[in-house]
Amino acid sequence: ELKVEQNPLFLSMQEGKNYTIYCNYSTTSDRLYWYRQDPGKSLESLFVLLSNGAVKQEGRLMASLDTKARLSTLHITAAVHDLSATYFCAVVNNNDMRFGAGTRLTVKP
Amino acid sequence: EAGVAQSPRYKIIEKRQSVAFWCNPISGHATLYWYQQILGQGPKLLIQFQNNGVVDDSQLPKDRFSAERLKGVDSTLKIQPAKLEDSAVYLCASSLDWGLTVGELFFGEGSRLTVL
Repeated sequence: ELKVEQNPLFLSMQEGKNYTIYCNYSTTSDRLYWYRQDPGKSLESLFVLLSNGAVKQEGRLMASLDTKARLSTLHITAAVHDLSATYFCAVVNNNDMRFGAGTRLTVKP
Repeated sequence: EAGVAQSPRYKIIEKRQSVAFWCNPISGHATLYWYQQILGQGPKLLIQFQNNGVVDDSQLPKDRFSAERLKGVDSTLKIQPAKLEDSAVYLCASSLDWGLTVGELFFGEGSRLTVL
Protein backbone atom coordinates (compact mmCIF):
# COMPACT_ATOMS: atom_id res chain seq x y z
CA GLU A 1 0.00 0.00 0.00
CA LEU A 2 1.23 3.43 -0.93
CA LYS A 3 1.98 5.53 2.15
CA VAL A 4 3.06 9.16 2.15
CA GLU A 5 4.69 10.86 5.10
CA GLN A 6 5.44 14.54 5.43
CA ASN A 7 7.52 16.29 8.00
CA PRO A 8 7.37 18.47 9.81
CA LEU A 9 3.61 18.69 10.28
CA PHE A 10 3.89 22.16 11.77
CA LEU A 11 6.49 24.76 10.91
CA SER A 12 6.84 28.24 12.30
CA MET A 13 9.40 30.39 10.53
CA GLN A 14 10.72 33.88 10.77
CA GLU A 15 10.54 36.00 7.66
CA GLY A 16 13.73 35.87 5.66
CA LYS A 17 14.74 32.39 6.82
CA ASN A 18 15.12 29.24 4.77
CA TYR A 19 13.60 25.85 5.47
CA THR A 20 12.79 22.51 3.85
CA ILE A 21 9.69 20.33 3.98
CA TYR A 22 10.18 16.61 3.37
CA CYS A 23 7.90 14.08 1.69
CA ASN A 24 8.72 10.37 1.90
CA TYR A 25 6.72 7.66 0.16
CA SER A 26 6.70 3.89 0.40
CA THR A 27 6.47 2.52 -3.16
CA THR A 28 7.57 3.46 -6.63
CA SER A 29 5.80 6.46 -8.04
CA ASP A 30 4.71 7.69 -11.45
CA ARG A 31 4.75 11.33 -10.42
CA LEU A 32 4.59 13.59 -7.39
CA TYR A 33 2.68 16.81 -6.83
CA TRP A 34 2.99 19.63 -4.37
CA TYR A 35 -0.17 21.56 -3.46
CA ARG A 36 -0.85 24.63 -1.39
CA GLN A 37 -4.01 25.10 0.66
CA ASP A 38 -5.02 28.36 2.35
CA PRO A 39 -7.47 28.18 5.27
CA GLY A 40 -10.99 27.53 4.06
CA LYS A 41 -9.82 27.29 0.48
CA SER A 42 -9.21 24.48 -1.95
CA LEU A 43 -5.93 23.00 -3.08
CA GLU A 44 -3.80 24.85 -5.58
CA SER A 45 -1.27 22.93 -7.62
CA LEU A 46 2.29 24.20 -7.23
CA PHE A 47 4.52 21.66 -8.91
CA VAL A 48 4.43 18.30 -10.65
CA LEU A 49 7.63 16.24 -10.64
CA LEU A 50 7.86 13.46 -13.18
CA SER A 51 11.32 11.94 -13.03
CA ASN A 52 14.31 11.32 -10.85
CA GLY A 53 16.33 14.46 -10.30
CA ALA A 54 13.51 16.74 -11.39
CA VAL A 55 13.73 20.21 -9.94
CA LYS A 56 11.16 22.96 -10.30
CA GLN A 57 11.20 26.49 -8.96
CA GLU A 58 8.58 29.17 -8.65
CA GLY A 59 9.46 32.29 -6.77
CA ARG A 60 10.70 31.40 -3.28
CA LEU A 61 9.69 27.74 -3.58
CA MET A 62 11.76 24.97 -5.09
CA ALA A 63 10.73 21.33 -5.31
CA SER A 64 12.93 18.34 -6.08
CA LEU A 65 12.46 14.61 -6.49
CA ASP A 66 14.76 11.68 -5.71
CA THR A 67 12.95 8.55 -6.83
CA LYS A 68 15.69 6.24 -5.59
CA ALA A 69 15.35 7.58 -2.07
CA ARG A 70 11.55 7.96 -2.52
CA LEU A 71 11.90 11.49 -1.27
CA SER A 72 10.75 14.89 -2.41
CA THR A 73 11.65 18.19 -0.82
CA LEU A 74 10.02 21.59 -0.92
CA HIS A 75 12.56 24.27 -0.10
CA ILE A 76 11.53 27.72 1.02
CA THR A 77 13.97 30.55 0.48
CA ALA A 78 13.75 33.83 2.39
CA ALA A 79 10.24 33.17 3.64
CA VAL A 80 7.60 35.89 3.52
CA HIS A 81 4.25 36.08 5.30
CA ASP A 82 2.33 35.35 2.09
CA LEU A 83 3.74 31.82 2.10
CA SER A 84 1.79 30.95 5.24
CA ALA A 85 -0.45 28.02 4.25
CA THR A 86 -0.64 24.24 4.43
CA TYR A 87 1.49 22.38 1.90
CA PHE A 88 0.65 18.87 0.75
CA CYS A 89 2.61 16.42 -1.30
CA ALA A 90 0.67 13.84 -3.29
CA VAL A 91 2.16 10.73 -4.82
CA VAL A 92 0.74 8.79 -7.76
CA ASN A 93 1.25 5.07 -8.26
CA ASN A 94 -0.82 3.09 -10.77
CA ASN A 95 -3.48 5.79 -10.90
CA ASP A 96 -3.72 5.81 -7.10
CA MET A 97 -3.01 9.30 -5.70
CA ARG A 98 -2.23 9.50 -1.98
CA PHE A 99 -1.75 12.71 -0.04
CA GLY A 100 0.53 13.38 2.86
CA ALA A 101 -0.95 14.82 6.06
CA GLY A 102 0.26 18.29 5.15
CA THR A 103 2.71 20.78 6.64
CA ARG A 104 1.14 23.82 8.22
CA LEU A 105 3.54 26.67 7.64
CA THR A 106 3.35 29.94 9.56
CA VAL A 107 5.72 32.73 8.63
CA LYS A 108 6.13 35.35 11.33
CA PRO A 109 7.41 38.89 10.84
CA GLU B 1 -11.82 29.14 -17.87
CA ALA B 2 -14.34 28.32 -15.15
CA GLY B 3 -13.06 26.14 -12.34
CA VAL B 4 -14.60 23.19 -10.57
CA ALA B 5 -17.92 24.25 -9.05
CA GLN B 6 -19.28 22.72 -5.86
CA SER B 7 -22.39 23.28 -3.78
CA PRO B 8 -23.41 23.80 -1.11
CA ARG B 9 -20.31 25.33 0.45
CA TYR B 10 -21.51 24.60 3.97
CA LYS B 11 -24.00 22.15 5.43
CA ILE B 12 -24.93 21.37 9.01
CA ILE B 13 -27.07 18.32 9.73
CA GLU B 14 -27.86 16.04 12.62
CA LYS B 15 -26.61 12.48 12.71
CA ARG B 16 -28.75 9.98 10.84
CA GLN B 17 -29.94 12.68 8.43
CA SER B 18 -29.00 12.65 4.76
CA VAL B 19 -27.06 15.14 2.67
CA ALA B 20 -26.09 15.54 -0.97
CA PHE B 21 -23.26 17.46 -2.57
CA TRP B 22 -23.01 18.52 -6.18
CA CYS B 23 -19.98 19.03 -8.39
CA ASN B 24 -19.58 20.39 -11.89
CA PRO B 25 -16.06 19.76 -13.24
CA ILE B 26 -14.10 21.86 -15.65
CA SER B 27 -15.59 21.58 -19.13
CA GLY B 28 -14.07 18.75 -21.09
CA HIS B 29 -12.50 17.01 -18.12
CA ALA B 30 -13.24 13.32 -18.37
CA THR B 31 -12.09 12.27 -14.93
CA LEU B 32 -13.84 13.36 -11.73
CA TYR B 33 -12.85 12.64 -8.14
CA TRP B 34 -14.47 13.02 -4.76
CA TYR B 35 -12.15 13.40 -1.78
CA GLN B 36 -12.86 13.58 1.93
CA GLN B 37 -10.64 15.90 3.95
CA ILE B 38 -10.96 15.61 7.70
CA LEU B 39 -9.65 18.57 9.67
CA GLY B 40 -5.88 18.39 10.00
CA GLN B 41 -5.47 15.59 7.47
CA GLY B 42 -4.71 15.24 3.81
CA PRO B 43 -7.49 14.51 1.32
CA LYS B 44 -8.56 10.87 1.02
CA LEU B 45 -9.98 9.58 -2.24
CA LEU B 46 -13.56 8.33 -2.00
CA ILE B 47 -14.39 7.67 -5.63
CA GLN B 48 -13.02 8.27 -9.11
CA PHE B 49 -15.09 8.44 -12.30
CA GLN B 50 -13.92 8.22 -15.88
CA ASN B 51 -16.74 9.80 -17.87
CA ASN B 52 -19.81 8.15 -16.28
CA GLY B 53 -18.08 4.96 -15.17
CA VAL B 54 -16.55 4.22 -11.77
CA VAL B 55 -12.79 3.62 -11.87
CA ASP B 56 -12.08 3.30 -8.16
CA ASP B 57 -14.48 3.27 -5.23
CA SER B 58 -12.49 1.03 -2.94
CA GLN B 59 -12.40 3.60 -0.12
CA LEU B 60 -16.04 4.64 -0.35
CA PRO B 61 -18.10 3.49 2.67
CA LYS B 62 -20.79 1.98 0.51
CA ASP B 63 -23.18 1.30 3.34
CA ARG B 64 -23.82 5.03 3.67
CA PHE B 65 -22.10 6.83 0.81
CA SER B 66 -23.14 6.82 -2.82
CA ALA B 67 -22.08 8.81 -5.85
CA GLU B 68 -23.16 9.08 -9.42
CA ARG B 69 -22.16 10.82 -12.61
CA LEU B 70 -25.00 9.86 -14.88
CA LYS B 71 -24.25 11.93 -17.98
CA GLY B 72 -20.49 11.99 -17.59
CA VAL B 73 -20.43 15.63 -16.59
CA ASP B 74 -21.64 16.74 -13.15
CA SER B 75 -21.74 14.46 -10.15
CA THR B 76 -23.50 14.09 -6.82
CA LEU B 77 -22.21 12.55 -3.63
CA LYS B 78 -24.78 11.43 -1.06
CA ILE B 79 -24.43 10.41 2.55
CA GLN B 80 -27.31 8.57 4.20
CA PRO B 81 -27.44 8.25 7.15
CA ALA B 82 -24.71 10.60 8.29
CA LYS B 83 -22.48 9.85 11.27
CA LEU B 84 -20.51 12.23 13.46
CA GLU B 85 -17.26 11.04 11.90
CA ASP B 86 -18.46 12.17 8.47
CA SER B 87 -17.80 15.78 9.47
CA ALA B 88 -15.24 16.90 6.90
CA VAL B 89 -14.72 18.92 3.76
CA TYR B 90 -15.76 17.07 0.62
CA LEU B 91 -13.58 18.10 -2.27
CA CYS B 92 -14.36 17.51 -5.90
CA ALA B 93 -11.56 17.50 -8.45
CA SER B 94 -11.31 16.94 -12.16
CA SER B 95 -8.56 16.17 -14.62
CA LEU B 96 -8.36 16.28 -18.36
CA ASP B 97 -6.63 12.98 -18.96
CA TRP B 98 -7.41 9.42 -18.03
CA GLY B 99 -5.34 7.96 -15.22
CA LEU B 100 -3.43 11.16 -14.57
CA THR B 101 -1.13 10.27 -17.44
CA VAL B 102 -0.60 13.85 -18.44
CA GLY B 103 -2.95 16.17 -16.65
CA GLU B 104 -3.17 17.32 -13.09
CA LEU B 105 -6.05 17.59 -10.68
CA PHE B 106 -8.00 20.82 -10.35
CA PHE B 107 -9.92 21.11 -7.11
CA GLY B 108 -13.13 22.87 -6.24
CA GLU B 109 -13.46 24.92 -3.06
CA GLY B 110 -15.14 22.08 -1.22
CA SER B 111 -18.32 21.47 0.72
CA ARG B 112 -17.88 21.63 4.46
CA LEU B 113 -20.13 19.19 6.34
CA THR B 114 -20.77 19.37 10.06
CA VAL B 115 -22.69 16.50 11.62
CA LEU B 116 -24.13 17.23 15.07
